[in-house]
Amino acid sequence: DQQVKQNSPSLSVQEGRISILNCDYTNSMFDYFLWYKKYPAEGPTFLISISSIKDKNEDGRFTVFLNKSAKHLSLHIVPSQPGDSAVYFCAASHITGNQFYFGTGTSLTVIP
Amino acid sequence: EPEVTQTPSHQVTQMGQEVILRCVPISNHLYFYWYRQILGQKVEFLVSFYNNEISEKSEIFDDQFSVERPDGSNFTLKIRSTKLEDSAMYFCASSNQESSYEQYFGPGTRLTVT
Repeated sequence: DQQVKQNSPSLSVQEGRISILNCDYTNSMFDYFLWYKKYPAEGPTFLISISSIKDKNEDGRFTVFLNKSAKHLSLHIVPSQPGDSAVYFCAASHITGNQFYFGTGTSLTVIP
Repeated sequence: EPEVTQTPSHQVTQMGQEVILRCVPISNHLYFYWYRQILGQKVEFLVSFYNNEISEKSEIFDDQFSVERPDGSNFTLKIRSTKLEDSAMYFCASSNQESSYEQYFGPGTRLTVT
C-alpha cells in the first residue's frame, strides 16, 4: 500500500535555482512529516520535519510546506547547491507512533 | 559526532541460511528500529524496539525475523531462514525520543540471498 507517494523519481535543477520536491499521502491520520536525504552507500539522514499543526517550517535553505486539505507536502531548497544532489525521501507517521512510512524517493541532481 | 554503525556492510548468504545483522545505536538512545529497502523500492519499516521488547512491527516482520539487544550496545536483526526476496538493504536506526521524530540511521547492510 502506497500511503506516501513521491511521483517524480528524478529532478534536475541548475545550481542557484530553487528545487521543489513533492510528496502526497493518503492517510489522514498522519500528523508528522519528515524529509530525509540519502547519499549512495549511506543511510537516510534527517533533514527537516513538520507537524500537522503547522503549514510551514524553515531551516536555512530548506523549507517544508504542508497542505493538509490536499494531503500534500513539498520541500523547497533555495538556492540549490551541487552538494544537495542526493535521493530525498518523504516520510510520514503518527506523532505518537514509531513507524515511518516512506515514499519511493526523488533523485535530485543539481547541475553546476 | 555520534553515529549509528552497522556490520557487515555486505552479507552474502544462501537461501535457507540464518543471518544476523548487527547494529550499534547511538549510546544514549533508547529506541531502536530496523528498516529495509529492496532495490529500487521504498524504505519499509520492519520493527521498533524499546525497553527490551518489540513496541511495533510491520506485516513484513513475520516469524522468520527476530530482534535482540544482547548487551548494552548491540542491536541485532536475525533472519532465521533467508529467502531470495529478503535481498535488500537493511537499515538500523535509533532515537532518544518515543515519537518517530529524528531517527538516526546507520549506513545499512546489503544482504544478498542466492
